[in-house]
Amino acid sequence: EDKVVQSPLSLVVHEGDTVTLNCSYEVTNFRSLLWYKQEKKAPTFLFMLTSSGIEKKSGRLSSILDKKELFSILNITATQTGDSAVYLCAVGDNYGQNFVFGPGTRLSVLP
Amino acid sequence: GAGVSQTPSNKVTEKGKYVELRCDPISGHTALYWYRQSLGQGPEFLIYFQGTGAADDSGLPNDRFFAVRPEGSVSTLKIQRTERGDSAVYLCASSYLAGTDTQYFGPGTRLTVL
Repeated sequence: EDKVVQSPLSLVVHEGDTVTLNCSYEVTNFRSLLWYKQEKKAPTFLFMLTSSGIEKKSGRLSSILDKKELFSILNITATQTGDSAVYLCAVGDNYGQNFVFGPGTRLSVLP
Repeated sequence: GAGVSQTPSNKVTEKGKYVELRCDPISGHTALYWYRQSLGQGPEFLIYFQGTGAADDSGLPNDRFFAVRPEGSVSTLKIQRTERGDSAVYLCASSYLAGTDTQYFGPGTRLTVL
């Protein structure tokens, strides 16, 4: 059974700090790994990763995938209060179109 | 509309009642997904449509849950004989093509079964 684990589950930092969120997975036939930000209800897409070692970057956010060690990290530099959210990691396999989500990391950025 | 819409935004019902939750995907998106999210957990896959057909319904928890997408656009998730354990946020997502992994989520319907 496919499984996604995220750590930490909760994190409190101050504005300006840099954070690293972790996602590890077990999937039979990996296709892709996705990161989402969930503030209220709807998760919003951040990154899709399919290849190892290639960093995806968007502003202060970046992410990278290690398919050998089966994990991904999401980095946020110079955090702002608006970064406060739950960050979700999801993995898709080649057998179907469904995705398995991790429990999320709840990030709180204090002013 | 510009994004995925879901109605109602909140639904309160009594145990044993029937409910319908609606999802209107982004225009032109052929793939549609339903997820259920309980407090403090990530979304849990329920069912996936490609066009009008349910391509993967392996996540539906039991036969009280059913979903349709008759014209390949709007989808309805139907729950019969609701139970308190069905209380959750039901999220819908759509993507342009099957195999295109970028999913766009709606705001969800918060279902509360009393």
